Amino acid sequence: QSALTQPRSVSGSPGQSVTISCTGTSSDVGGYNYVSWYQRHPGKAPKLMIYDVSERPSGVPDRFSGSKSGNTASLTISGLQSEDEADYYCCSYAGSYTFVVFGGGTKLTVL
Amino acid sequence: EVQLVESGGGLVQPGGSLRLSCAASGFTVSTNYMNWVRQAPGKGLEWVSAIYSGGSTYYSDSVKGRFTISRDISKNALYLQMNSLRAEDTAVYHCARGNTGYSSDYWGQGTLVTVSS
Repeated sequence: QSALTQPRSVSGSPGQSVTISCTGTSSDVGGYNYVSWYQRHPGKAPKLMIYDVSERPSGVPDRFSGSKSGNTASLTISGLQSEDEADYYCCSYAGSYTFVVFGGGTKLTVL
Repeated sequence: EVQLVESGGGLVQPGGSLRLSCAASGFTVSTNYMNWVRQAPGKGLEWVSAIYSGGSTYYSDSVKGRFTISRDISKNALYLQMNSLRAEDTAVYHCARGNTGYSSDYWGQGTLVTVSS
């Protein structure tokens, strides 16, 4: 069982918005502003989409945004496109002992 | 261009050992913090180990005492020595470059480790 809880799947139609949640505890998501999100297409390496809760690396479309409230972080993808169909993983710093924890992943289907 | 290429995976019996390598290019391993992250079949990503530029190392509880992360400055490479392997260590192992806020901005494609008799 993963330390962070994500929905197993979400779906949306092209052009719509979807939000993927990532629930942790005050020891990880709620305790630090170090949440990151990764996109993974089958057979490809994970790609960093969001870091520090809401920062986008260069090259990531601004359709991708991140936020956090309490112990839950969220990734919102607006203007869904077919190429957004992938697995998405959240990740959080969890202190100097546990270090980093991941969510179980969410499969995004673009209908 | 930043590239990470893992090697060294394979089939090993329970209790055996393997050493994974990660060849880096486009940046210097010793000046970044580096991670190993694995994904077991049908499972999500799991952080395994990290090494900071200063040499501090960190391990998940599931591998502590069995795995050792290291780097070779002359070869610009990262390693993961895995001992006392268990069936539950079966996974694709990725090396990843650390970024701001404990994220990882570049990942390798991974190398498959299968622990089975």
